[in-house]
Amino acid sequence: DVKVTQSSRYLVKRTGEKVFLECVQDMDHENMFWYRQDPGLGLRLIYFSYDVKMKEKGDIPEGYSVSREKKERFSLILESASTNQTSMYLCASKPSGTGGSPLHFGNGTRLTVT
Amino acid sequence: RKEVEQDPGPFNVPEGATVAFNCTYSNSASQSFFWYRQDCRKEPKLLMSVYSSGNEDGRFTAQLNRASQYISLLIRDSKLSDSATYLCVVKGNDYKLSFGAGTTVTVRA
Repeated sequence: DVKVTQSSRYLVKRTGEKVFLECVQDMDHENMFWYRQDPGLGLRLIYFSYDVKMKEKGDIPEGYSVSREKKERFSLILESASTNQTSMYLCASKPSGTGGSPLHFGNGTRLTVT
Repeated sequence: RKEVEQDPGPFNVPEGATVAFNCTYSNSASQSFFWYRQDCRKEPKLLMSVYSSGNEDGRFTAQLNRASQYISLLIRDSKLSDSATYLCVVKGNDYKLSFGAGTTVTVRA
């Protein structure tokens, strides 16, 4: 069974702090994704990566960056956290190809920026 | 216009009832369609893929209408454990998956 692990379940950070959200998957998936989920807006794609050291902007990349140094790990970085980045962050992975493979999600990190 | 739109509900139904809801999508080139289920404060999990000819998985039936650009989910003989938010997910011809905001279903005893 695929396991996607996010390092923290809950985080509280101050405005202006640099924040790292870590995600690790154990199924050798090529594609990894970071989403944020907000009430009424659904999941919105921040960044995704289809290979080591490769990254693509999603729909809302502003204020975020990512790092994929190893295949199993995809990190989301908030360079200078702001209160509007308070949200639920979900990491996901899937195998490569454009077919209909489903996403496997981690259990989420609820980030509060004060 | 949002790429994927869903009626947020909530749909409050008694145990044993049938409940159905739709999801519309704007990209006519969309290739793959899914329903995910998300329990409160949990991550989304795949419920079922949606195939062109429609498909069933136990009490769940999914349909695709390409001409009108919507998919549907029907739940028969509702159980208390079916209470959740159901997310419609649509995939275009690239890596991108577009999510609806979800339809909340509450099954009461």
